[in-house]
Amino acid sequence: RKEVEQDPGPFNVPEGATVAFNCTYSNSASQSFFWYRQDCRKEPKLLMSVYSSGNEDGRFTAQLNRASQYISLLIRDSKLSDSATYLCVPRLYNFNKFYFGSGTKLNVKP
Amino acid sequence: DADVTQTPRNRITKTGKRIMLECSQTKGHDRMYWYRQDPGLGLRLIYYSFDVKDINKGEISDGYSVSRQAQAKFSLSLESAIPNQTALYFCATSEPGEWYETQYFGPGTRLLVL
Repeated sequence: RKEVEQDPGPFNVPEGATVAFNCTYSNSASQSFFWYRQDCRKEPKLLMSVYSSGNEDGRFTAQLNRASQYISLLIRDSKLSDSATYLCVPRLYNFNKFYFGSGTKLNVKP
Repeated sequence: DADVTQTPRNRITKTGKRIMLECSQTKGHDRMYWYRQDPGLGLRLIYYSFDVKDINKGEISDGYSVSRQAQAKFSLSLESAIPNQTALYFCATSEPGEWYETQYFGPGTRLLVL
């Protein structure tokens, strides 16, 4: 079983739409979680971090469900510039291991 | 200037050649990492270093070696390149922390092994 599972997409949505991605992780000992954004063939960049139940930053909301071992990312009022691949990254603090998902691709259309 | 830089940005080499990818950072972080990314796969850890004297293998270290020349520099070598090492390689840094520790990535090196 993969450490991290993400729907590869693509999710094709119109501008202004709300879109949500889910990510499931297999290691229940994971302690913190990150969403990174990666533009085509460029480096991942941190979007949000989540430690407790959730986090919100402007149009972006991340929710964590430890019992079910999944985290979600909600994007409201999608912009063309949100088009990218979103990587889910659980982290095991004690072993300093970051597990990178293969990403969910989002295309925001005019 | 970028905080994490990688050279070269693109490289084409032939099977059996030895090549080195270099990473430098100005963030002052102790921890540095090398990952590779292949289409459809997540980033996979090759090697990581928590300080100059501490180097550790990641999940896919076979065929690779590293050198931590200084706090700011971490090099990845392919001793004898093979075609399945064709990938996008990223260097990353982080500062020790608890739940909030995050990684910062360089721009990547695209490597093609013929």
